[in-house]
Amino acid sequence: QLQLQESGPGLVRPSETLSLTCSVSGGSISSNAYYWGWIRQPPGKGLEWLGSIYYSGSTYYSPSLKSRVTISVDTSKNQVSLELSSVTATDTAVYYCARHGGFEVVDSIVILFSTWFDPWGQGTLVTVSS
Amino acid sequence: QSVLTQPPSVSAAPGQKVTISCSGSSSNIGSNYVSWYQQLPGTAPKLLIYDNNKRPSGIPDRFSGSKSGTSVTLGITELQTGDEADFYCGTWDSSLNAVVFGGGTKLTVL
Repeated sequence: QLQLQESGPGLVRPSETLSLTCSVSGGSISSNAYYWGWIRQPPGKGLEWLGSIYYSGSTYYSPSLKSRVTISVDTSKNQVSLELSSVTATDTAVYYCARHGGFEVVDSIVILFSTWFDPWGQGTLVTVSS
Repeated sequence: QSVLTQPPSVSAAPGQKVTISCSGSSSNIGSNYVSWYQQLPGTAPKLLIYDNNKRPSGIPDRFSGSKSGTSVTLGITELQTGDEADFYCGTWDSSLNAVVFGGGTKLTVL
């Protein structure tokens, strides 16, 4: 059974960089046709997608956060990482990682034909405060 | 302001049926598959419907999805108190080149 677990500091100072790791167990992060995504949820608010990465390193980023977000993958550790720079209080949220499905591999090219996230990690609350 | 529009709340009695709408545009719902998520209080979202109307293994057939043009609808029959949750729709937006979600709908089972 595939499981995802987020980890990282629960408190980050304003203007610093938020760093989180998602550890995947029960399956390989190098699975064909799956990306691995980061989604966040500010307290009491809705879901916001940050970006997704393939095991090869290919990425999609949210246009609104692209200048501050970096997602990387470590296949040897079966982990995906998130960095969000220059954080402010508005970046306070529960951060989730999730397997991003809906892709097909055609002639060695990964093509998005649908979008869904399953399963999700339990999430980790990151508070930005001095 | 979310790209996809959902009603903030819906309610119905136990045993009844409820529908939750999600509307978008030609660049998202109109040209891409939609997924739905259920978020029980204090837990992570859970995939309920994918590819507009498919249910993952383990999701009861009380949950259904449909699509018409630039809108999709989640239907839940035989409501139970345990169904009380927030529900989100999501899809790919081909103009933004991004995953977009609705603002969420809180279901109350009276």
